[in-house]
Amino acid sequence: EVQLVESGGGLVQPGRSLRLSCAASGFTFDDYAMHWVRQAPGKGLEWVSGISWNSGSIGYADSVKGRFTISRDNAKNSLYLQMNSLRAEDTALYYCAKSNRWELLRAAFDIWGQGTMVTVSS
Amino acid sequence: DIVMTQTPLSLSVTPGQPASISCKSSQSLLHSDGKTYLYWYLQKPGQPPQLLIYEVSNRFSGVPDRFSGSGSGTDFTLKISRVEAEDVGVYYCMQSIQLPLFTFGPGTKVDIK
Repeated sequence: EVQLVESGGGLVQPGRSLRLSCAASGFTFDDYAMHWVRQAPGKGLEWVSGISWNSGSIGYADSVKGRFTISRDNAKNSLYLQMNSLRAEDTALYYCAKSNRWELLRAAFDIWGQGTMVTVSS
Repeated sequence: DIVMTQTPLSLSVTPGQPASISCKSSQSLLHSDGKTYLYWYLQKPGQPPQLLIYEVSNRFSGVPDRFSGSGSGTDFTLKISRVEAEDVGVYYCMQSIQLPLFTFGPGTKVDIK
């Protein structure tokens, strides 16, 4: 069964850091690009960041550029999101999503995890 | 950046009746490779989004044939031929032709009358 399981969310103070992880199973992880998409409470979907199959191509939303870093470990079938300098507006459910292609762009998110909640508050 | 708009933002449908959602992009989603990179997702209550349609009109694996997508350039439509109770949720269109953003539409909430 194809599965994505996120972890690492929680309550964090503004300005602090958090690292999210996504464990993939049921497919050949290093054949596909991977992404993070977030959803603030009661709001719509916002793409956060994506990484190509070999980490050669990476992209970020303007709202997180310079603060968040995406990475992957193909040997561990895992995706990560290092979030620094967190702000209240980063509060959201963070989804890990599998691309249907190896490259970053021109792709769909065909498998989604259940998400991990990040709350930034003092 | 490409801006995606959807109409209507909410829709109440009688079971068995059709439904239609419009999505418009601020720039053409037609790539030089001839494909158009417009997608539709459904987020059922309490669940992550699920892919319904890719590249305008292709149903993803397992998606019922009552769902269909159409359109070109900047104007797109998702149609449900006969709405069922399990189709309730929020429908999002998304473009993936241009960085720095994969852009989602604001969502259309569909419920049953």
